[in-house]
Amino acid sequence: EVQLVESGGGLVQPGGSLRLSCAASGFTVSDNYLSWVRQAPGKGLEWVSVIYSGGHTYYADSVRGRFTISRDNSKNMLYLQMNSLRAEDTAVYYCARGRDHWNFFDYWGQGNLVTVSS
Amino acid sequence: DIVMTQSPDSLAVSLGERATINCKSRQSILYTSNDKNYLAWYQKKPGQPPKLLISWASIRESGVPDRFSGSGSGTDFTLTISSLQAEDVAVYYCQQYYSTPPWTFGQGTKVDIK
Repeated sequence: EVQLVESGGGLVQPGGSLRLSCAASGFTVSDNYLSWVRQAPGKGLEWVSVIYSGGHTYYADSVRGRFTISRDNSKNMLYLQMNSLRAEDTAVYYCARGRDHWNFFDYWGQGNLVTVSS
Repeated sequence: DIVMTQSPDSLAVSLGERATINCKSRQSILYTSNDKNYLAWYQKKPGQPPKLLISWASIRESGVPDRFSGSGSGTDFTLTISSLQAEDVAVYYCQQYYSTPPWTFGQGTKVDIK
């Protein structure tokens, strides 16, 4: 059974850092496209970043240069390192798997709230 | 970036009646080489992750009730719920996955019971 389980969210001050983790089971992270998608309070869904099976990464303009997506193949884990956090980064963050090397998302984690506030 | 615009922002439909949600992309998301539209629909309920309903504009996911259907091509797409059930109350999002990132979502359409 495919599962994605996130951890690492919480409250952080503006300018601070946080790392989100996503534990995958039922499939191999290195063989798949994995993305982070977020939803700010009362807002819609926003794609944040992707890591392809070959290792290439892409970012939304709103996070490029501040966030880094990575994976640990040995642990079957996905990560999102978030630096220089801003209030507007406050959101529920989801890890999501792209179906068959496409970029629509068939499995999602349960979501992890990140709150950036002083 | 490809902007996706949904209409309406919200709608209320009586149980058993039809609900129709529109999604328009600023540019075509139809790849003529394979004749596929790179458009997905998701259902989002509070406290839950999004659920994939439809991919390739019209391919329903396994386990999704057949009252959900997707149609359209190029820049104009529609999600139809043929007979609204209480469990369909949710926010629905379209998403394009055409070409290179960023992949973008519509702003969402909230569906309620009238």
